[in-house]
Amino acid sequence: GAVVSQHPSWVICKSGTSVKIECRSLDFQATTMFWYRQFPKQSLMLMATSNEGSKATYEQGVEKDKFLINHASLTLSTLTVTSAHPEDSSFYICSARDWGATGTGDPQSSYEQYFGPGTRLTVT
Amino acid sequence: EDQVTQSPEALRLQEGESSSLNCSYTVSGLRGLFWYRQDPGKGPEFLFTLYSAGEEKEKERLKATLTKKESFLHITAPKPEDSATYLCAAFSGNTGKLIFGQGTTLQVKP
Repeated sequence: GAVVSQHPSWVICKSGTSVKIECRSLDFQATTMFWYRQFPKQSLMLMATSNEGSKATYEQGVEKDKFLINHASLTLSTLTVTSAHPEDSSFYICSARDWGATGTGDPQSSYEQYFGPGTRLTVT
Repeated sequence: EDQVTQSPEALRLQEGESSSLNCSYTVSGLRGLFWYRQDPGKGPEFLFTLYSAGEEKEKERLKATLTKKESFLHITAPKPEDSATYLCAAFSGNTGKLIFGQGTTLQVKP
């Protein structure tokens, strides 16, 4: 259980184009999904938090007009990198919290986050 | 300020040589301490969640423990396939965010 998928796993695009990355929770519903960015040999940096049906909350320093996040359903969130530039090249990882866990009588389990396999973006 | 610090940054062990990874945390409204394993080019894989001081959890050669200030990931008789980066993260109930440490990269040589 608790599987999160991402698509594509890697993408190469030209500078100035836009790229969309999908994050899906396969066997649970996720009210909240998170998008992270990871640079080589560094830890994960939270970019934004998205809640199903509402606007995403972006971390300080993250351009919301550049990194568009949509959380249209309880199993799908998308990150669109608009007008990509070489400095946007990175490893993007999403995670999801299990909505169903909040109704199990064990509130602590709802804090667990499950991560996708990541998407390697290269902008040339 | 919420902070999670892991040590050491890198650890090299011989196969069978047991050791421990440390995770120190200062987090407001801690709701859980998480351990993940990350292989190169992949997303973090969930290992354990610890919720209260004194709690311990085990999985194969790994055992995680928690105190009020730190968590340890004990690796008993490691094998080369245990080589990976181990990430510690704390969930802050005040901010609703998972705060990651920098990770410990473990290399186990046969």
